[in-house]
Amino acid sequence: DAKTTQPTSMDCAEGRAANLPCNHSTISGNEYVYWYRQIHSQGPQYIIHGLKNNETNEMASLIITEDRKSSTLILPHATLRDTAVYYCIVRVALGGSNYKLTFGKGTLLTVNP
Amino acid sequence: GAGVSQSPRYKVAKRGQDVALRCDPISGHVSLFWYQQALGQGPEFLTYFQNEAQLDKSGLPSDRFFAERPEGSVSTLKIQRTQQEDSAVYLCASSLQTGGRETQYFGPGTRLLVL
Repeated sequence: DAKTTQPTSMDCAEGRAANLPCNHSTISGNEYVYWYRQIHSQGPQYIIHGLKNNETNEMASLIITEDRKSSTLILPHATLRDTAVYYCIVRVALGGSNYKLTFGKGTLLTVNP
Repeated sequence: GAGVSQSPRYKVAKRGQDVALRCDPISGHVSLFWYQQALGQGPEFLTYFQNEAQLDKSGLPSDRFFAERPEGSVSTLKIQRTQQEDSAVYLCASSLQTGGRETQYFGPGTRLLVL
């Protein structure tokens, strides 16, 4: 299984961009990178995913390096409600077209007023 | 719109008791997944269904854990003779599955405490 490495914790000021890094140096060519976040006492929430191109949606942007060995999740204007544990995941095939998500410990992002 | 729902949200069991945890996936979602999340850890995969077929149960920690999805919609995770180490949050996720729509959407979880 491709392993991901993330910092244990990060702080960000409210209204500023939060940049969360992730290393996945053993990723294979056809493996996607997924980002989820988990707010205290809730289930994980899907944020974004990508293969090799940069991606953007209403929640965040995902920047993947050209060699695909690392990526950065960007929350452009962090709010207090963005305080959560952020998980960077390289999904693992189960067979057919399904995948399991192998979570690590993630990064605890704290947005400060 | 309706997301994944789970019940009960909290369950306290005495050691040795059997428990049943329910998951209602998003309507129309073919695939259903169960994960276990211990305190301070990320979720860990337990098992998954495609419709009513249980295609992978490699993550189930022991034969005391049993999951079913008899009609391809609602799923139940049953734990027999609960032990204290079973205390965790049990998360259910579902996905539409095909054609690149494999994103898994999670429910709020059931927090199980075994005394």
